[in-house]
Amino acid sequence: EAGVTQFPSHSVIEKGQTVTLRCDPISGHDNLYWYRRVMGKEIKFLLHFVKESKQDESGMPNNRFLAERTGGTYSTLKVQPAELEDSGVYFCASKAGGVRGTQYFGPGTRLLVL
Amino acid sequence: ELKVEQNPLFLSMQEGKNYTIYCNYSTTSDRLYWYRQDPGKSLESLFVLLSNGAVKQEGRLMASLDTKARLSTLHITAAVHDLSATYFCAVDRDSGTYKYIFGTGTRLKVLA
Repeated sequence: EAGVTQFPSHSVIEKGQTVTLRCDPISGHDNLYWYRRVMGKEIKFLLHFVKESKQDESGMPNNRFLAERTGGTYSTLKVQPAELEDSGVYFCASKAGGVRGTQYFGPGTRLLVL
Repeated sequence: ELKVEQNPLFLSMQEGKNYTIYCNYSTTSDRLYWYRQDPGKSLESLFVLLSNGAVKQEGRLMASLDTKARLSTLHITAAVHDLSATYFCAVDRDSGTYKYIFGTGTRLKVLA
């Protein structure tokens, strides 16, 4: 069974540009989470989807970030326009069912905004 | 607000030695997760500790949970180079979205 995949693995962009990150969860996992780790700090929650619905987007930094999960399969996270402080590693995780349990993480997208 | 503190942040140890990573959290939670991350790779689930007093072991790693003290430990026995990685602990709440609150991570380097 394929794990969680993320694309791209790395992205280097200039301040003011737009970047779109993609996450493909494990097939059949209704729950999809986005997290971010800024250099040297803890991994922080951004938002949570159940199927195509946003359940919690309390961790989204500001309105420059837009997440979608059309059709309840893969998800995209767009940053527009990117700022220097958006640099970090963006992780996606998925989980089956509607109860507590282990989340399965992708390898992350390393974003560097210059 | 639920906070998770992990220490040490960095750990350099000789092969064959023992050491413990600590994970403290600020409010009640009865479940704790440990993950390992190799550079450029996914976070790999190591342990899920489900209740007070839970202890799990896998190879040279042993994790325990004390919910009264709000403390989990990850003990490394006779470290080997292959254990070099970053280790994260995380907690969740038994409600809402079950999102994780992570510790800062412990970067472990085992020296040959």
